[in-house]
Amino acid sequence: NAGVTQTPKFQVLKTGQSMTLQCAQDMNHEYMSWYRQDPGMGLRLIHYSVGAGITDQGEVPNGYNVSRSTTEDFPLRLLSAAPSQTSVYFCASRRTGTGQETQYFGPGTRLLVL
Amino acid sequence: AQSVSQHNHHVILSEAASLELGCNYSYGGTVNLFWYVQYPGQHLQLLLKYFSGDPLVKGIKGFEAEFIKSKFSFNLRKPSVQWSDTAEYFCAVNEGTYKYIFGTGTRLKVLA
Repeated sequence: NAGVTQTPKFQVLKTGQSMTLQCAQDMNHEYMSWYRQDPGMGLRLIHYSVGAGITDQGEVPNGYNVSRSTTEDFPLRLLSAAPSQTSVYFCASRRTGTGQETQYFGPGTRLLVL
Repeated sequence: AQSVSQHNHHVILSEAASLELGCNYSYGGTVNLFWYVQYPGQHLQLLLKYFSGDPLVKGIKGFEAEFIKSKFSFNLRKPSVQWSDTAEYFCAVNEGTYKYIFGTGTRLKVLA
């Protein structure tokens, strides 16, 4: 199994540009989520999904859109990038359940918005 | 709102020293507790987790953590650190919903 994969690994954007961060998992996990990691802030939940067609907001959803058309894929869209969105983005997945399940993280996407 | 505090932001130790990293959470109900580690250039991976039962939990690579309900704490320990333990450590809490709350992380540097 490849686990959780993310593309691209690194991206530079200009303010106002749009882009999609890709995330895929091959473990048939129902739950997928996106986090951003900023120095001194830890990981903050952006959006999550509990299955195909079902998404919800996390702590910091503004400026980001998600959709979940398949179990495997959970892309994160930045419609109009801002410098405040410069961060490292991690996708994670796990089985649904009681919250005791281990989350598996992807390798991350480092985004720089100029 | 639920929160997780990691008071040690940077820790520097020599090899063979003992390690204890603090984690406190604010939620008063039943919680699921996790410690994740991020080695340089790598993604986060699970060290250990606690749901119920024995409050002393053992994880990978010789790490353990103790859940003290009265103190709302879940501190991570290792009796003797190695250079390869240099990493960033994150405490996380989930109260049974889909939302995890992570602490701000502790950067550990182990000097050879």
